[in-house]
Amino acid sequence: QVQLVESGGGLVKPGGSLRLSCAVSGFTLIDHYMSWMRQAPGKGLEWISYISTSGVTKHYADSVKGRFTISRDNVKNLLYLQMNNLRAEDTAVYYCARDRGDQLNWFDPWGQGTLVIVSS
Amino acid sequence: DIQMTQSPSSVSASVGDRVTITCRASQDISTWLAWYQQKPGTAPKLLIYAASSLQSGVPSRFSGSGSGTDFTLTISSLQPVDFATYYCQQAFSFPLTFGGGTKVEIK
Repeated sequence: QVQLVESGGGLVKPGGSLRLSCAVSGFTLIDHYMSWMRQAPGKGLEWISYISTSGVTKHYADSVKGRFTISRDNVKNLLYLQMNNLRAEDTAVYYCARDRGDQLNWFDPWGQGTLVIVSS
Repeated sequence: DIQMTQSPSSVSASVGDRVTITCRASQDISTWLAWYQQKPGTAPKLLIYAASSLQSGVPSRFSGSGSGTDFTLTISSLQPVDFATYYCQQAFSFPLTFGGGTKVEIK
């Protein structure tokens, strides 16, 4: 079945870096747009980054632009989010998600999420 | 950026009630709108896409309508499993944006 599994979250100090991974199975990654979203504790959903099927086109939310980098490895079936210069306000559960199959920007399914805590 | 405003932020309802949630976009997004359901501690689940298309496997008691700037998610007869938080999301342009969420609680 279709599955997305995030990893790489954890506790990091302000200014530090983390790389999140999203391992996909049950479908061919190259056929799908992918995005990362996040949800701060007790808050709503925030889209943060998108990558096209080839990896050529990328978009970022202003809140992470210049600090986060999205990438993908269509051979290894992996999506990545490199997060640099982390701030306390980056504390959140981070979700990867796939387009529903129509290469449009609504998402199904999502991974289970990985928690990132930025604190000294 | 397109702002998405949901109302109400919370609603108390009983099993069997009809529940309506609205979402307003700050500019015309045609039918580039999705609705998601999220239960505590779990990832969001896509319910509706293209404003009114039901995602596969989603019960028919869920429906969506609207176009342009005003959209509605309706649950025709609320079931115990439907108590959750619902979010709208515009897919018209980047940055993609979500509404603030509507929590459906048990009355």
